Amino acid sequence: QQQVKQSPQSLIVQKGGISIINCAYENTAFDYFPWYQQFPGKGPALLIAIRPDVSEKKEGRFTISFNKSAKQFSLHIMDSQPGDSATYFCAAFYTGNQFYFGTGTSLTVIP
Amino acid sequence: NAGVTQTPKFRVLKTGQSMTLLCAQDMNHEYMYWYRQDPGMGLRLIHYSVGEGTTAKGEVPDGYNVSRLKKQNFLLGLESAAPSQTSVYFCASTWTGVSGELFFGEGSRLTVL
Repeated sequence: QQQVKQSPQSLIVQKGGISIINCAYENTAFDYFPWYQQFPGKGPALLIAIRPDVSEKKEGRFTISFNKSAKQFSLHIMDSQPGDSATYFCAAFYTGNQFYFGTGTSLTVIP
Repeated sequence: NAGVTQTPKFRVLKTGQSMTLLCAQDMNHEYMYWYRQDPGMGLRLIHYSVGEGTTAKGEVPDGYNVSRLKKQNFLLGLESAAPSQTSVYFCASTWTGVSGELFFGEGSRLTVL
């Protein structure tokens, strides 16, 4: 059973556009929601994370929007650049337990 | 600082052979994890450890064994490799169970013929 559902599986965006990736979860015990970025041949690396007591977190061009009542969160990449082309994973975690990952989104930013 | 180091990076096995993947971290992390990554399936947890001498099963533990004899090392063993175990394996570590950043190694690509 997939604890975290992620969509879309792949995304193609023009340079300068907005990339949006969505995730949904069921377990209300989750208290930490990170996004990881993975380049080909590399391990995932933390991009940005949010806790459920805030509805939005912004770091540069990357923003997480969090809707606790809908149990959904999304990653927005503003002014998308070719260097943002990578696979993005959302995840959920609760204290003392495991990280649960989404299935990943392959983002391609066309110059 | 090396972070999380996985060896080997590539390996080809024949069905039925055994092997061990080694993960080493130099950040004094308590928690260590082994994931496998397959196309369209994301990262799936195989086994994890919450401290030296402890291990626990994750989502897909069958066919794998692990050991955490030293805090800095987490070993993943395949007793009798099967083609279904062809995958990219990632080790990761973090501090205590309180929400925190997960640090990943660069992966080990295993092919079972």
